[in-house]
Amino acid sequence: QVQLVQSGSELKKPGASVKVSCKASGYTFTSYAMNWVRQAPGQGLEWMGWINTNTGNPTYAQGFTGRFVFSLDTSVSTAYLQISSLKAEDTAVYYCARDYDSSGYYLLPWGQGTLVTVSS
Amino acid sequence: QSALTQPASVSGSPGQSITISCTGTSSDVGSYNLVSWYQQHPGKAPKLMIYEGSKRPSGVSNRFSGSKSGNTASLTISGLQAEDEADYYCCSYAGSSPVFGGGTKLTVL
Repeated sequence: QVQLVQSGSELKKPGASVKVSCKASGYTFTSYAMNWVRQAPGQGLEWMGWINTNTGNPTYAQGFTGRFVFSLDTSVSTAYLQISSLKAEDTAVYYCARDYDSSGYYLLPWGQGTLVTVSS
Repeated sequence: QSALTQPASVSGSPGQSITISCTGTSSDVGSYNLVSWYQQHPGKAPKLMIYEGSKRPSGVSNRFSGSKSGNTASLTISGLQAEDEADYYCCSYAGSSPVFGGGTKLTVL
């Protein structure tokens, strides 16, 4: 079945970097775009942007430019989110989510989420 | 873009029907038939329940239905069950970017 499996929780100090992985299975990786969504503790969902899995071209939402980088390794059907210069306010669960269909407007399935905690 | 407006909480008894509203503007909800709804149980990933305003992905119960009037979209859950207790988020598009509602906590009494 179609599945996205993310890497485990991370505890990082302010100023450090983190790289979250999202491994896809059950479908052709390059056929659907991959999105990233952030959820701060006790808060709602925030779309961070998406990456074209064919071309590797990323698109970042407002507020997610500069320190956030989406990348791919198509040889292992994996998408990555790297966050540099971590701040306390980056503490959140980060989800990868595949486009549901070719329209690109809906997200299904989602990875299980990766909790990134930034604390000194 | 501003988040879409949802009630913070709704509740209902088993077997009843409830409706969750999602109010946007003429630039998002009102302009496109692209509203989706996601269900999120505590500690779990969101799950797509409704897309294109009223369509259900395979496997989603027909107790879930969506509609839209003007700038407000709605999610109705009929025949409430205990397992429906979760957070629900609406989502629409404003230009090329999706915007989520603030979320509604559904409590099944």
